[in-house]
Amino acid sequence: QQQVKQSPQSLIVQKGGISIINCAYENTAFDYFPWYQQFPGKGPALLIAIRPDVSEKKEGRFTISFNKSAKQFSLHIMDSQPGDSATYFCAATLDTGRRALTFGSGTRLQVQP
Amino acid sequence: NAGVTQTPKFRVLKTGQSMTLLCAQDMNHEYMYWYRQDPGMGLRLIHYSVGEGTTAKGEVPDGYNVSRLKKQNFLLGLESAAPSQTSVYFCASSYVPGQGIKPQHFGDGTRLSIL
Repeated sequence: QQQVKQSPQSLIVQKGGISIINCAYENTAFDYFPWYQQFPGKGPALLIAIRPDVSEKKEGRFTISFNKSAKQFSLHIMDSQPGDSATYFCAATLDTGRRALTFGSGTRLQVQP
Repeated sequence: NAGVTQTPKFRVLKTGQSMTLLCAQDMNHEYMYWYRQDPGMGLRLIHYSVGEGTTAKGEVPDGYNVSRLKKQNFLLGLESAAPSQTSVYFCASSYVPGQGIKPQHFGDGTRLSIL
């Protein structure tokens, strides 16, 4: 059972464009929603994260939008750059217990120059 | 400041062979995790540990064993490797009590092929 569904599987964006990746979750107990960025041959690295009491969080060119009632959240990358080309994973977890991450299936982003 | 270090980085095994993957962290984290990453499936939790001497099963534990004899090390063992265990394995660590939720820090992975 996939508790976090992510789309699209792959995305091609022109330099300067907006990249949008969407995720939906099932477990309403989740209380922390991070996005991870992964480059080839490397492990995932935290990009930005949000808690469900906030509808939006922005860090530089990266913004998370969160819709608690719809159980959805999305990552927006403004002014996308070729250096942003990577695989992006949304995730969800509980801030108690084992604190393990439940990951989406990933989105491979390619930003063309 | 090494963070999370995984060894080896690559390994090829034959079906039925055994091996141990080592994860070491130098951030004094209490929690450590083993995930496997397969195409189109994201990362899935194999086993985890919430402190030295403790381990527990994750979502896909079959065929794997773990040990956490020292706080900084978390070992993942394959007793009898199967082709279905061909994957990229990631170790992660997090959480210092009293500091609230902290991001998980990942190693760069071990790429394992079972022939």
